[in-house]
Amino acid sequence: AQSVTQLGSHVSVSEGALVLLRCNYSSSVPPYLFWYVQYPNQGLQLLLKYTSAATLVKGINGFEAEFKKSETSFHLTKPSAHMSDAAEYFCAVSFYGGSQGNLIFGKGTKLSVKP
Amino acid sequence: DVKVTQSSRYLVKRTGEKVFLECVQDMDHENMFWYRQDPGLGLRLIYFSYDVKMKEKGDIPEGYSVSREKKERFSLILESASTNQTSMYLCASSPSGAGGSYEQYFGPGTRLTVT
Repeated sequence: AQSVTQLGSHVSVSEGALVLLRCNYSSSVPPYLFWYVQYPNQGLQLLLKYTSAATLVKGINGFEAEFKKSETSFHLTKPSAHMSDAAEYFCAVSFYGGSQGNLIFGKGTKLSVKP
Repeated sequence: DVKVTQSSRYLVKRTGEKVFLECVQDMDHENMFWYRQDPGLGLRLIYFSYDVKMKEKGDIPEGYSVSREKKERFSLILESASTNQTSMYLCASSPSGAGGSYEQYFGPGTRLTVT
C-alpha cells in the first residue's frame, strides 16, 4: 500500500538558511509526487510536482525537490529561507496509471523562520 | 486559473444541528474530494466523487454524507453535528483520465466549530 512519511512535524530555520523538508514514500508502482504549502487559515497550494519527467523539479517561490527512486525520497529544499516561507508543508503521492485521482498526504511539517 | 470556492470560511453550529458545507469548482473537473484537517493528523479523506451522483467513502466517512447533483458542486453534510466534528474542512477537485497527474486544487477551507 502507498504511504507518505514526513520526518519532523516542526522545523525551525533562520532567515537566509537552507530549508530542507523530508518526505519518504512507499509505493509498489511509479508514483506521482507533490508538495503543497498551506498558509494559516488557507487552503493548500501546489508548490511543485514530479510526474516521471526530470528528477529535479523546480517549483514556485524558489523551492525545488529531487526524486530519488533508490531512496524512495522526495525532499523539498530552498537555498535561502525567507520569513514569508513560514507555513505548513505537505508531501503527497498518487497512483500512477490509475483512472482515479486520490492522493495520500503526509501529516505535514510546520516550518518556522526566525529573523 | 482553477477556482474552488467553499460557501463559508468560518461556521459555528450547535450539537445536533444538520450542517451543509458547499463546494463549487469552475474547471469542469470530474473528481471532487472532502477532507478534514486536524493538528498532528494531516488531511484525512472523508468522501470523494468521480462523477455526478457518484460517491465513494474515504477513510473517515462516519457521521458524514455527501451529495453531487451537478458536476461543479459537491456538498458535505453533517447529519447531526457533534463536538468531535469541530475541524477545518477542505474541498478539492482534480481532472481525471489516464495520463493525468492527479494534481488536486483546493478551496480556502471552512473552519467549523460545533458547540
